[in-house]
Amino acid sequence: QVQLVESGGGVVQPGGSLRLSCAASGFTFSSYGMHWVRQAPGKGLEWVAFIRYDGSNKYYADSVKGRFTISRDNSKNTLYLQMNSLRAEDTAVYYCAKDTHYYGPFDYWGQGTLVTVSS
Amino acid sequence: DIQMTQSPSSLSASVGDRVTITCRASQGIRNDLGWYQQKPGKAPKRLIYAASSLQSGVPSRFSGSGSGTEFTLTISSLQPEDFATYYCLQHNSYPPQYTFGQGTKLEIK
Repeated sequence: QVQLVESGGGVVQPGGSLRLSCAASGFTFSSYGMHWVRQAPGKGLEWVAFIRYDGSNKYYADSVKGRFTISRDNSKNTLYLQMNSLRAEDTAVYYCAKDTHYYGPFDYWGQGTLVTVSS
Repeated sequence: DIQMTQSPSSLSASVGDRVTITCRASQGIRNDLGWYQQKPGKAPKRLIYAASSLQSGVPSRFSGSGSGTEFTLTISSLQPEDFATYYCLQHNSYPPQYTFGQGTKLEIK
């Protein structure tokens, strides 16, 4: 069965950096695009970034462009999100989610990891 | 950017009721729309993809319809486990940009 397990969340000061990881299993990771989606406390869902199956193309929400970098290591079945210049408004639960080839995004989600940006 | 307007933002209903949630896109998105259910403290779960296709394992009381700019999620007979927050998502944009609706919180009357 598909499993996505995020890690790396925590408390960081404004202006700081953090790297999130998402370990994937139960499917051929190297064949699928992957996403990060976040949810601020008590708020709705916001798409953050997408990376194609081979890492050849990456796309970002305007709110994180230039500060966050999505990457993947297909040899380790792991997705990453490098977050720099963090702001209070980046405080959220961050989910990784799997894409599909033809049937739309986010068919499977991880359990999420909480990032808190606070001094 | 494509905006998604979801309504209502909250809804009170009883077990056995039929419920409809609507999403409107700011421009045509063909059928590039999904519906997601989220319970407190849990990750979202996909219910519907391609506007009207039922995700494997999801009960048949859930259905989706629409194309272009108007979409609906219908729950034919509410069950206790259906009380949750529901989101629509559009994925029609290129370069890829994904937009969720604001969410509909479905509560027990």
